[in-house]
Amino acid sequence: LAKTTQPISMDSYEGQEVNITCSHNNIATNDYITWYQQFPSQGPRFIIQGYKTKVTNEVASLFIPADRKSSTLSLPRVSLSDTAVYYCLVGRSLMDSSYKLIFGSGTRLLVRP
Amino acid sequence: ETGVTQSPTHLIKTRGQQVTLRCSSQSGHNTVSWYQQALGQGPQFIFQYYREEENGRGNFPPRFSGLQFPNYSSELNVNALELDDSALYLCASSFPGGDTEAFFGQGTRLTVV
Repeated sequence: LAKTTQPISMDSYEGQEVNITCSHNNIATNDYITWYQQFPSQGPRFIIQGYKTKVTNEVASLFIPADRKSSTLSLPRVSLSDTAVYYCLVGRSLMDSSYKLIFGSGTRLLVRP
Repeated sequence: ETGVTQSPTHLIKTRGQQVTLRCSSQSGHNTVSWYQQALGQGPQFIFQYYREEENGRGNFPPRFSGLQFPNYSSELNVNALELDDSALYLCASSFPGGDTEAFFGQGTRLTVV
């Protein structure tokens, strides 16, 4: 399973766009890239998932370059409620359909007023 | 709300005791995974159950065991509790496969004293 590297922490202000980049140099051909958000004392919550190019949903965008060795989660116009830990995960489906999420330490995003 | 419920929400146990944590998965999901999250760390994969059988295991000793029932609910059992077992235990349900979203419960906070 590919290891991921992301910044330990980031600071931002309300209304700004936040971009969190994740490095995954050893990503395999059939790996997906997934981002989760976690608030204190709650379970992680799925934000977005992609395989290549760009994916956008109602809360975020995910940019994946052609070599797929990195990805960038983009949060438009953050608010105080976006203060959380963000995890970048890379994983694959094994032959027996066992799929486990491998979390790193995540990026702690602090949004200031 | 993810539809995944865990019980109890908080628990205090004494070292050496045994504990059982429970998880009701989201309707239709046949795969349940358990994670341990120590304070300040990302969740660590314990094991996964698919159709009532263990389908992948992380680096946890045998005193961590589980069950999945025909209705896809699940239990995590930990024997001979140690102080280091104090953590947030998270249950996630999903369909099998790397391209599916995992839904997490709110977790059970276990404190071993």
